[in-house]
Amino acid sequence: NAGVTQTPKFQVLKTGQSMTLQCAQDMNHEYMSWYRQDPGMGLRLIHYSVGAGITDQGEVPNGYNVSRSTTEDFPLRLLSAAPSQTSVYFCASSWDRIEQYFGPGTRLTVT
Amino acid sequence: SQQGEEDPQALSIQEGENATMNCSYKTSINNLQWYRQNSGRGLVHLILIRSNEREKHSGRLRVTLDTSKKSSSLLITASRAADTASYFCATDPPSGTYKYIFGTGTRLKVLA
Repeated sequence: NAGVTQTPKFQVLKTGQSMTLQCAQDMNHEYMSWYRQDPGMGLRLIHYSVGAGITDQGEVPNGYNVSRSTTEDFPLRLLSAAPSQTSVYFCASSWDRIEQYFGPGTRLTVT
Repeated sequence: SQQGEEDPQALSIQEGENATMNCSYKTSINNLQWYRQNSGRGLVHLILIRSNEREKHSGRLRVTLDTSKKSSSLLITASRAADTASYFCATDPPSGTYKYIFGTGTRLKVLA
């Protein structure tokens, strides 16, 4: 049981490039979320999903897309990377909409 | 916007002392949770308190909730060096969405 996995661990992008951050969970959780963490800002919700095929926006969705074609996977796509998207990204999942299980994070730098 | 605000932002104590950190929030909630984050790692769930509860214990953790003041406190008793971490509160707005909102965190350092 691997829990929540995220790849890659580190990524450097140039402004304007696109990429996908991968998130997978093997706990059969319906609920999944993407957060970004910036110094002094805590975690801010980007997008979330309440089940396969259902996604919704969080607090800071601009510049990011998500899809949920399977229960296990919830990828986050950066369409055209900007320096303001430099951050640490966390994926989380939950079975009861309450306790969340977090992945180890992806540290993204956009130059 | 941030729902939860932790206080203090940083706390440094000696091993064996108690650590208290506070969380204030703005709107009514169904429940409040506390998470711990070790440096460079993901968050780990510590404890949940529901809006109809006033106090909850889990091992060396004691959480209180005062819905009239929209505040919660986390007490760690007999702290250990391994408790060094950042601690975050998270609230679920009552609309029933999955839009959990995290506070800015308290950085706790326990000196051996």
